[in-house]
Amino acid sequence: SQKIEQNSEALNIQEGKTATLTCNYTNYSPAYLQWYRQDPGRGPVFLLLIRENEKEKRKERLKVTFDTTLKQSLFHITASQPADSATYLCASPTRNAGNMLTFGGGTRLMVKP
Amino acid sequence: KAGVTQTPRYLIKTRGQQVTLSCSPISGHRSVSWYQQTPGQGLQFLFEYFSETQRNKGNFPGRFSGRQFSNSRSEMNVSTLELGDSALYLCASSLVGSGVDEQYFGPGTRLTVT
Repeated sequence: SQKIEQNSEALNIQEGKTATLTCNYTNYSPAYLQWYRQDPGRGPVFLLLIRENEKEKRKERLKVTFDTTLKQSLFHITASQPADSATYLCASPTRNAGNMLTFGGGTRLMVKP
Repeated sequence: KAGVTQTPRYLIKTRGQQVTLSCSPISGHRSVSWYQQTPGQGLQFLFEYFSETQRNKGNFPGRFSGRQFSNSRSEMNVSTLELGDSALYLCASSLVGSGVDEQYFGPGTRLTVT
């Protein structure tokens, strides 16, 4: 069955550094991946979508890559700030469920001043 | 424009009871999806409604049901509550639910079953 996995361990980095989060998928080839941010007690907020034919997508300090050979997407936040501290979720379309999303478990990012 | 709203925000129920949660999507959005979020299982898709019809369904028992009204507002119902149903229930709306549409999530309803 399709799987989408993120590192469940929290990522701690120093302010100003680049945070890199990983999303791996197995047993399928999604046409696109979405990335969301979730703060405690709140619903996820959409950040970026990247399609399988796009190697890289950027939005301000955010960059997402999609490597169909490695079956992996990387999410980068450059010049990280304490306000970037949150849980980041990747999601892909669900096979045999239209285009509804299957989410990874999320990676919690902590940016220390 | 106003975001997705969910009511109530918090709910405490006892085992065996039933519960109804409500979601009002962003104006103009016709697709409403429901997700359950728990620390152990993460975000799991429950079902999606579009134009008052259930279009997709996740792998949840029949105790979980939903509906959508003509104004796109949606409700989900859980009958015969179990302790394991304690979770954050999130509603998300999108224009047509094509998958590539970004989904706009509400703040969620925190359900505690005792």
